[in-house]
Amino acid sequence: QVQLQESGPGLVKPSETLSLTCAVSGYSISSDYYWGWIRQSPGKGLEWIGSVYHSGSTYYNPSLKSRVTISLDTSKNQFSLKVSSVTAADTAVYYCAREISDRTTFSFESWGQGTLVIVSS
Amino acid sequence: QSALTQPASVSGSPGQSITISCTGAGSDVGSYNLVSWYQHHPGKAPKLMIYEVIKRPSGVSNRFSGSKSGSTASLTISGLQAEDEADYYCCSYAGSSTGVFGTGTKVTVL
Repeated sequence: QVQLQESGPGLVKPSETLSLTCAVSGYSISSDYYWGWIRQSPGKGLEWIGSVYHSGSTYYNPSLKSRVTISLDTSKNQFSLKVSSVTAADTAVYYCAREISDRTTFSFESWGQGTLVIVSS
Repeated sequence: QSALTQPASVSGSPGQSITISCTGAGSDVGSYNLVSWYQHHPGKAPKLMIYEVIKRPSGVSNRFSGSKSGSTASLTISGLQAEDEADYYCCSYAGSSTGVFGTGTKVTVL
């Protein structure tokens, strides 16, 4: 059974770059599936940030596209998220997840437990 | 790309059925049969309850069912139980390999 685990700094300063990693076990990320990042800001709903296909193709939320980079590291079986020029609005619990099938339907079946990132000086 | 519209809250008594609506536009819910629903208990990871409008992942109770009419999708929970109390989010494919979540609905079991 696939397992996902987010990791990264819990505190990031405004204007800096937020960097998170999602370690995957139980499945090779280069084999198949779409792998995504979703976040939830305090008191708000879920927001899709972006996804990466096992081939390395990436897809981003248009509202975040200019600041977001998602990439695969197949040697470590993990994928990462970078959000540049962060502000307090980027404070959120960040989740990594895997879709239920090999085509993108935005049906994320497997999730990490989430990691809280606070943007503050 | 605007968030899909859901009622802020829905409540029901144990054993009753409730329905949560999710209204989008012609560019998302109305254009694709790719609506999913998530159950989210605070402090835990979201759980996929319905995908592709009507499909249930393995292990999800058949008390949960999905449907769609035009630009509005719906999640129905029948035989409401205390454990169903949570936040529920819809999500839709919105074209060009992008997706959008709903505003979320808090379900309260009275």
